[in-house]
Amino acid sequence: DQQVKQNSPSLSVQEGRISILNCDYTNSMFDYFLWYKKYPAEGPTFLISISSIKDKNEDGRFTVFLNKSAKHLSLHIVPSQPGDSAVYFCAARYNYGQNFVFGPGTRLSVLP
Amino acid sequence: KAGVTQTPRYLIKTRGQQVTLSCSPISGHRSVSWYQQTPGQGLQFLFEYFSETQRNKGNFPGRFSGRQFSNSRSEMNVSTLELGDSALYLCASSYANSGNTIYFGEGSWLTVV
Repeated sequence: DQQVKQNSPSLSVQEGRISILNCDYTNSMFDYFLWYKKYPAEGPTFLISISSIKDKNEDGRFTVFLNKSAKHLSLHIVPSQPGDSAVYFCAARYNYGQNFVFGPGTRLSVLP
Repeated sequence: KAGVTQTPRYLIKTRGQQVTLSCSPISGHRSVSWYQQTPGQGLQFLFEYFSETQRNKGNFPGRFSGRQFSNSRSEMNVSTLELGDSALYLCASSYANSGNTIYFGEGSWLTVV
């Protein structure tokens, strides 16, 4: 049973436009969420996080939105750049610690 | 400052053998966790250590074990290797007991033949 879902396996966006990556979760006890991007043959790189007490967090071109009632979060990248092309994972945790549950990932392609 | 360092980066083992992977966390980080990434199962949590104690454990068989040393460095061991253990093994570290944001190393690619 997938507790964290990323229903779009892939997404293509034009350079300069907005990329929106979505993530849904089923466990209402999750209290902390992270987004990572991953290039082939590299470890995941941390992008941005959000606590369940907030509904939005921004860091430069990246903004994460959390809708607790819908158990949904999204990552917005504005403007998108070709270097953003990678696989993006959302991850969720409850009961603190490092035991995060990861989604299956969405492959983002930013076209020049 | 240096990131999470994992060794070896690539290795090939034979079924039935055992393997030990090493992880040096970011300086000052005391929590270390291990994840397995496979094409079929994605990223899955193996276990987490803090102050040399295992704090959380994922749903993996007992063949998978780990430990943490007093300098926060960690090792994980897989005994009696199976073909299905072929995967990217990722180590992550974080600062404090609450272990909010975790930072990953480059991973160790294990192939079991």
